[in-house]
Amino acid sequence: DAGVIQSPRHEVTEMGQEVTLRCKPISGHNSLFWYRQTMMRGLELLIYFNNNVPIDDSGMPEDRFSAKMPNASFSTLKIQPSEPRDSAVYFCASTVVGGTEAFFGQGTRLTVV
Amino acid sequence: QKEVEQNSGPLSVPEGAIASLNCTYSDRVSQSFFWYRQYSGKSPELIMSIYSNGDKEDGRFTAQLNKASQYVSLLIRDSQPSDSATYLCAVTRAGTALIFGKGTTLSVSS
Repeated sequence: DAGVIQSPRHEVTEMGQEVTLRCKPISGHNSLFWYRQTMMRGLELLIYFNNNVPIDDSGMPEDRFSAKMPNASFSTLKIQPSEPRDSAVYFCASTVVGGTEAFFGQGTRLTVV
Repeated sequence: QKEVEQNSGPLSVPEGAIASLNCTYSDRVSQSFFWYRQYSGKSPELIMSIYSNGDKEDGRFTAQLNKASQYVSLLIRDSQPSDSATYLCAVTRAGTALIFGKGTTLSVSS
């Protein structure tokens, strides 16, 4: 099992640029989560999908953030335009709907300068 | 607003001692409770799950749950330097996402 795969692992971009983070969940998992981790705020839920449908996006900080899940094996988190305060580690996690254990990807460390 | 609270630490214990980590949560209908361990620069990994009141033991780890008090704890017996990490408490109810505390940093000195 390859686990949850995220790309890129590191991203450095200039303020104002568009950033796209990618996630491939574990095969067979139908629930996918996007989290953001900072020292100040800890691990925050941004959005989650069940069966490719967004269920709760109340954690998305602003309209600059958007997420899609076009199929069961791929999701994106987009920030446009990016700002320095978006610098954080972004994690994707997956599980089975109603399941008990969420598995995390290795994360994407985003730095906006 | 659903909240999960943890002391940020650091919690420092000598090698071989018992480390006690605590967590409280605000959502009374939470059903599932988890402890994740996160090493610096790594992703969280699940170490314990508990669903009913009482204790659950797995090796050197014991999770304790008291739903009436909305309280979860993790005991680590015979602490080792390799246990030094941040421990994240997470809660959820069926079909919803995990909500995490900010974590407690544990340092085990040899």
